[in-house]
Amino acid sequence: GAGVSQSPRYKVAKRGQDVALRCDPISGHVSLFWYQQALGQGPEFLTYFQNEAQLDKSGLPSDRFFAERPEGSVSTLKIQRTQQEDSAVYLCASSAPLWGADDEQYFGPGTRLTVT
Amino acid sequence: AQKVTQAQTEISVVEKEDVTLDCVYETRDTTYYLFWYKQPPSGELVFLIRRNSFDEQNEISGRYSWNFQKSTSSFNFTITASQVVDSAVYFCALSESLTGTASKLTFGTGTRLQVTL
Repeated sequence: GAGVSQSPRYKVAKRGQDVALRCDPISGHVSLFWYQQALGQGPEFLTYFQNEAQLDKSGLPSDRFFAERPEGSVSTLKIQRTQQEDSAVYLCASSAPLWGADDEQYFGPGTRLTVT
Repeated sequence: AQKVTQAQTEISVVEKEDVTLDCVYETRDTTYYLFWYKQPPSGELVFLIRRNSFDEQNEISGRYSWNFQKSTSSFNFTITASQVVDSAVYFCALSESLTGTASKLTFGTGTRLQVTL
């Protein structure tokens, strides 16, 4: 497909488990973003990649959260020792241009993480 | 700090009614972009519009129209003759420049629109 894809769509983890969430951006898109959306809230920025470089990780809530994009395409968001407050939908978005700071971000369907 | 306020948590209308979703924002940037996204029950955010801070012209796209007023820091969204398929959560968002050339989005808390027959 041509859109942003994320897997898994749903993940249930027991408290203390590690999880890995995958994002496949639109082919050729330079910028990749991760957002966290708690129930009933708007998405909140977590981190941003330009190609393989993680240029901003100011939104990561703790050092248990780690993201990577080693080859500048697929990205993985890892959460270690999950806690109940990590339960949320994790959205990935990508945008195309190297130049043009405010182009449209295309969002994936999200991964709904439930920590029990 | 950037902030987006969507004071209407939930709105219910009957099909064919017009409805306006409010959005008020705060920013210290002189150049910024405003966005509206739709989130249907499937969960995926669907882009509706992007507006540059220098362009205060109202925009109309089919049944959708947007009113940007810099003087009141508002970017309101009107759906004319609403339809059941418009039922969704609508988010207003404000861009904030990041290192490099991209921007992160600051979202409001959303307005849930319910359109019934």
